[in-house]
Amino acid sequence: TQLLEQSPQFLSIQEGENLTVYCNSSSVFSSLQWYRQEPGEGPVLLVTVVTGGEVKKLKRLTFQFGDARKDSSLHITAAQPGDTGLYLCAGTFSTSGSRLTFGEGTQLTVNP
Amino acid sequence: KAGVTQTPRYLIKTRGQQVTLSCSPISGHRSVSWYQQTPGQGLQFLFEYFSETQRNKGNFPGRFSGRQFSNSRSEMNVSTLELGDSALYLCASSPGPMNTEAFFGQGTRLTVV
Repeated sequence: TQLLEQSPQFLSIQEGENLTVYCNSSSVFSSLQWYRQEPGEGPVLLVTVVTGGEVKKLKRLTFQFGDARKDSSLHITAAQPGDTGLYLCAGTFSTSGSRLTFGEGTQLTVNP
Repeated sequence: KAGVTQTPRYLIKTRGQQVTLSCSPISGHRSVSWYQQTPGQGLQFLFEYFSETQRNKGNFPGRFSGRQFSNSRSEMNVSTLELGDSALYLCASSPGPMNTEAFFGQGTRLTVV
């Protein structure tokens, strides 16, 4: 059984600050996705990474995939109140096909 | 292009009853997966369907079942409801089983009383 560890679990920061969220597994990911979820809604896909060492940028969000494909990070620059939400990493593994295994999530609150 | 549609959005049921939830995937998507989300357990995989066949199943009791129709729409059923089944049930669609990007619906909030 593959497990994903996501940290931190909670993060409360002021507008304009930077932050990083981490996602780790003891197994090699086939692919990894980051999602953002707001209360009462489904997760919204932000990015998919599949290649070790890959870096993707989405406006103020930067996603990195570890060289060994066992870890990933999400960095937000100059956070805004609109970034508030639950950030989830989810991975697929070679032994489980397209089934997504989710981390526990990071609840981010950006205070104005 | 319409997104993933789940109905109903909210549902209240009594212990022992059964419930059926519906999911219409994005047009052209043929793979549908179901997840249960609870505060204590997070998002957990229930099952995946492609071409009307269950391809993958999570660690849930047999009370949880699903099916997929020829138009790719999917339903999941929970029988003999328990209080612990209260959760947000999420459906995700993707183009096919080899595509790992999943697009989620808004979910069905099930409350068992």
